[in-house]
Amino acid sequence: DFVMTQSPDSLAVSLGERATINCKSSQSVLYSSNNQNYLTWYQQKPGQPPKLLIYWASTRESGVPDRFSGSGSGTDFTLTISSLQAEDVAVYYCQQYYATPYTFGQGTKLEIK
Amino acid sequence: QVQLQESGPGPVKTSQTLSLTCTVSGASISSGYNWNWLRQHPGKGLEWIGYISNSGSTIYNPSLRSRVTISVDTSKNHFSLSLSSVTAADTAVYYCAGDNGASGVGSFDYWGQGTLVTVSS
Repeated sequence: DFVMTQSPDSLAVSLGERATINCKSSQSVLYSSNNQNYLTWYQQKPGQPPKLLIYWASTRESGVPDRFSGSGSGTDFTLTISSLQAEDVAVYYCQQYYATPYTFGQGTKLEIK
Repeated sequence: QVQLQESGPGPVKTSQTLSLTCTVSGASISSGYNWNWLRQHPGKGLEWIGYISNSGSTIYNPSLRSRVTISVDTSKNHFSLSLSSVTAADTAVYYCAGDNGASGVGSFDYWGQGTLVTVSS
């Protein structure tokens, strides 16, 4: 199985500041035939299901604010929130969909400093 | 807008079978989606259980494969999860999720609200 490891486990950032969350895969999730990274990012608020933010490692889902961006390739990925808003407080998960079983990182809890 | 809603009979006793249904609205269950089940243990991360494709084929997580069945009822536009021989370790919030392939098969575009299933003796 692909093991997804996020860092840090928790993060406190001031409003308006940048938040950066990292995700590392135990194997490459870059599919050579289409040059796509099979890596998504989700946001989960308390009592809610996860919400898809980013797919193909860097493509924002429709309706997701442009302060959210994804980057990286192969095994190392980053989710960046350029200017933290109060409504961004949540747990963030990365997930690989290169191969089944699909697997998730352990989550990063983002709070306001 | 595709919406999913989980439903089930409530608490389950140890060694019995957990059964959940996910009703889909806003899309036909027979359209080009993969229909997935996932779970989240209390205060923990997410675990993918498996999916059934629009063609009816299934893929399960090997960690649960011996106990899991996912099926579709096209007449009711819903799909179901059956997990046998449950233990307390199967206590979790269970989510159904749809994947239309637009963002890649295995990227979950639509989620149900989740239902907590408690397993006890």
